[in-house]
This record gives sequence, C-alpha cells and structure tokens, in this order.
Amino acid sequence: ETGVTQSPTHLIKTRGQQVTLRCSSQSGHNTVSWYQQALGQGPQFIFQYYREEENGRGNFPPRFSGLQFPNYSSELNVNALELDDSALYLCASSLAGGGGYTFGSGTRLTVV
Amino acid sequence: KQEVTQIPAALSVPEGENLVLNCSFTDSAIYNLQWFRQDPGKGLTSLLLIQSSQREQTSGRLNASLDKSSGRSTLYIAASQPGDSATYLCAAMDSSYKLIFGSGTRLLVRP
Repeated sequence: ETGVTQSPTHLIKTRGQQVTLRCSSQSGHNTVSWYQQALGQGPQFIFQYYREEENGRGNFPPRFSGLQFPNYSSELNVNALELDDSALYLCASSLAGGGGYTFGSGTRLTVV
Repeated sequence: KQEVTQIPAALSVPEGENLVLNCSFTDSAIYNLQWFRQDPGKGLTSLLLIQSSQREQTSGRLNASLDKSSGRSTLYIAASQPGDSATYLCAAMDSSYKLIFGSGTRLLVRP
C-alpha cells in the first residue's frame, strides 16, 4: 500500500508568479484535501475534492484553485503569489465517508 | 464555527515520564477526532483515530480518549522516550469531512 506522495518537496518563487503543486493519493482513496500550514501554526483547510469535483472550500481566495484527476491524483494551483503564501502545503487523502486522513510529507513553498 | 485548542503549547519532560496532552473543541457535532505527530519540517503522521461513537483508542504506549459532551480529547503517552519529541496535533472532523486543527503541542523529552 503506497502512501501519499507530494512534489516538489521544496520550491522558491517570486512574488506575482504562479505555482503548481502535485499530489498522488494513497491507493484506494477517492477524496483529496489540501491544507496550508504556516510556521508554528496548525494546518488550515484550503479545499477538498471528491470524484473530480470540489466539495468544500476554506477561507482562501479564488487565486487558490485545484484539480482532481480520474486516478484521484490532484494539483493545487496558486496564482499571483504573495509573500504570505510562504508555507508548508500538505495534501491528504481518505476514503469518502469520514475515515481517517493520510497526509503526504508536504511541499515547502517560499515566496520572495 | 468549530475551534480547536491545544494545551499546553509546549512541554518539556524527562525521559520515562507519563504525560497527557489536551485538546478541546467548541462544537460537539464532530464526525471523528484524529491525533497526528509532526517532526520539524515534515508532514503529518496519523497516530490514533477516534470515531464519534467511541470513547478511546490505544496503540502501543499511546492512548487517546474522547468526551464529546465536554468537548475534550486527551492523548496519553506512557514511559516517554527522546524519540517521542515532536509536535502533536489534534484535529476534529466536521460534518463536511474537513479537519479543523489545533495549533499543536511541542513536546521535548530530555534524555
């Protein structure tokens, strides 16, 4: 059973640029969620996808968008990067219906 | 709106001590509660998952309890070891299946 894998592990971008982060769900999981974790804080929910449709969104602006593919892998896209977007971005997968979440190792994004 | 609080924010104990980490949540209508461990700069490792109908879960030296009526969960770590040093996060799952996290407890176990 493979876990959740995220790429890249680290990324440095310039303010105003766009970034795409990728996530492969754990085998058998059909729901994927993305979280943003600022230094010293708990993760904050960005959005969730189930069967390629967004079915929940946290308090993040529209420049945060995502996709889920038929194989349940997912992308997080952030446009017009701001300095405050610097954080650890975590992807998590689960089976629909409220089972436990499995998290990836995260992508550390630094915006300069 | 669900809010999750963890106390204490940081804890330093000598090796071998038993310890309790606390988590409280404001809305008792949770689906489940999950405890995670996070090493510096790393992702989250799931430790224990307690469904809303359960009172506790155990795994090795770890025991987690859940009291929905009082909005509390505790993580008990027996015979702590230096390798237990990490940040421990609790997360409540709401009815839309999203996790609401506390800010974590940073644990240091001194040899």
